[in-house]
Amino acid sequence: EAQVTQNPRYLITVTGKKLTVTCSQNMNHEYMSWYRQDPGLGLRQIYYSMNVEVTDKGDVPEGYKVSRKEKRNFPLILESPSPNQTSLYFCASSLRQTSGNTIYFGEGSWLTVV
Amino acid sequence: KQEVTQIPAALSVPEGENLVLNCSFTDSAIYNLQWFRQDPGKGLTSLLLIQSSQREQTSGRLNASLDKSSGRSTLYIAASQPGDSATYLCAVRPEGGSEKLVFGKGTKLTVNP
Repeated sequence: EAQVTQNPRYLITVTGKKLTVTCSQNMNHEYMSWYRQDPGLGLRQIYYSMNVEVTDKGDVPEGYKVSRKEKRNFPLILESPSPNQTSLYFCASSLRQTSGNTIYFGEGSWLTVV
Repeated sequence: KQEVTQIPAALSVPEGENLVLNCSFTDSAIYNLQWFRQDPGKGLTSLLLIQSSQREQTSGRLNASLDKSSGRSTLYIAASQPGDSATYLCAVRPEGGSEKLVFGKGTKLTVNP
């Protein structure tokens, strides 16, 4: 079954404590990305990756890091989380975006920073 | 800068009604437009994808149209059911290699039995 798997699904953490949200896809997709969803602001892209070792900033990259060492994994790293990073995070993947392929989303990770 | 607007923000209809959700975008330079469904606490499920060269796509009771020149898309749901209750999101992929989707804020649909 085609899947994008995120972990953890729910997390409450404290300001400044580094955390990583993992994302894995089983479809051999080149393209992966991270979005955050906030009330009144909708979904905004944080980072994306076109392939292994290729990453680029989206609209709201501040406070986040990513890496793409393997094709299937695209972790999102919050080095020093702050309360304004409390949000619902989605990982997504597809075959190359330029070919207009369907994009698959994970089920989301609810992150609260206190 | 591309902006996507969805109207209405919320819609409540009785079961069996046909309905239309609207999406507009400010820049017609897009590769494609997608409609997604989001259930509470869940991820996004792609419903229909329309390439910029296409006018419409159909899947079951869903029909999405695209008028690229006027910056509009509609999602038509026929014979609505309570199971259709969800938030529907419209997203465009701008031209220019930005490799991202620009989302609207969604229409929350409630279908009452």
